[in-house]
Amino acid sequence: QSALTQPRSVSGSPGQSVTISCTGTSSDVGRYNYVSWYQQHPGKAPKLIIYDVTTRPSGVPDRFSGSKSGNTASLTISGLQAEDEADYYCCSYAGHSTFVVFGGGTKLTV
Amino acid sequence: EVQLVQSGAEVKKPGESLKISCQGSGYSFTTYWIGWVRQMPGKGLEWMGIIYGGDSDTRYSPSFQGQVTLSADRSISTAYLQWDSLKASDTAMYYCARRFCTDTSCYLGSYDIWGQGTKVTVSS
Repeated sequence: QSALTQPRSVSGSPGQSVTISCTGTSSDVGRYNYVSWYQQHPGKAPKLIIYDVTTRPSGVPDRFSGSKSGNTASLTISGLQAEDEADYYCCSYAGHSTFVVFGGGTKLTV
Repeated sequence: EVQLVQSGAEVKKPGESLKISCQGSGYSFTTYWIGWVRQMPGKGLEWMGIIYGGDSDTRYSPSFQGQVTLSADRSISTAYLQWDSLKASDTAMYYCARRFCTDTSCYLGSYDIWGQGTKVTVSS
């Protein structure tokens, strides 16, 4: 069982928007603004798409956006494209005992 | 080009030892942390630990503490992940990844450059 809880799958049609939730606790997501999101295509290494809850690294389209409320972080992908079909993982800093925890991953089908 | 290049796939027997590597290039290895992430077949990502390229300061996930050893050789810009006695349950893809930093800050839990992964298979 992963430390952060994500839905196993979500789906959407091209052009639509989807939101992926990531629920943690007051010891990780709720305490720190150090939530990141990764996109992983089959057979590939993960790619950082959001850091510090809401910030996109250079080169990541603005269709990807992040937010947080309480113990739950969210990734929203707007204007879905076929290439967005992938697994998405949230990640949070969890203090200097546990350090970093990942969510179980969400498979996005477009 | 900034990149991390990992060593090749390994097939080992239970009880054997193993050390896999992750060589950084195109950036200053000694000023970044390198993390390791496990992905078991068909499963999600698990954070194992992190090591600082400058002085080999290390942090381990409680789940992996005592199970693996992280090390680094700054002279060749290489980080290592090591097992003393492999188990079948260590079968997985292992990724190294560089902790993300901008000109002004470094970001906990964020990794911007990833290696291609090293597949480890442990089977009798």
